Amino acid sequence: GENVEQHPSTLSVQEGDSAVIKCTYSDSASNYFPWYKQELGKRPQLIIDIRSNVGEKKDQRIAVTLNKTAKHFSLHITETQPEDSAVYFCAARGVLIFGAGTRLAVHP
Amino acid sequence: SQTIHQWPATLVQPVGSPLSLECTVEGTSNPNLYWYRQAAGRGLQLLFYSVGIGQISSEVPQNLSASRPQDRQFILSSKKLLLSDSGFYLCASSPATGNTIYFGEGSWLTVV
Repeated sequence: GENVEQHPSTLSVQEGDSAVIKCTYSDSASNYFPWYKQELGKRPQLIIDIRSNVGEKKDQRIAVTLNKTAKHFSLHITETQPEDSAVYFCAARGVLIFGAGTRLAVHP
Repeated sequence: SQTIHQWPATLVQPVGSPLSLECTVEGTSNPNLYWYRQAAGRGLQLLFYSVGIGQISSEVPQNLSASRPQDRQFILSSKKLLLSDSGFYLCASSPATGNTIYFGEGSWLTVV
């Protein structure tokens, strides 16, 4: 079955810096890769996703890149703001298997 | 867009008691339905998923079970809760012809 590894587990940045979170997956048949943001005590919310026929996708300060050959994908957040502080999860496969999460802290 | 209703929002149950969490989905037909569990400060563990009425796949063997009596209704149950069953339970749904998963508000379960 699919296995998704995510790193780092925690990430601390200064406001305005960029943050990058990386995930690797094992099942080469996986063709859908979403990212979710979860604030404390709340449900995960989809923030961006990418499909296997696309290498990069951007939405304002957020971008996701996919390298199918190497079986990894990354979330890029530019110009980070305190409200970006949350836990971020990557996922892969049709029935989503999630990474362990990255706790991002953005310090003013 | 689809809306996911999940209840109860919080509950405290003694060890050995039964459990029933319910989830209903609006705004879509024949959705794929999922139950995830999240222990405190941990990741999302897929427990069950269903592609249709009466069709349940289990990802992790445990003392929990799931049922889908109607197209847009998904129920998570246990006959006897364990302390390790404590956590944040999330119902989720995706369209039959799509990949994007949306989550319900979640249910906080504390087993004492």
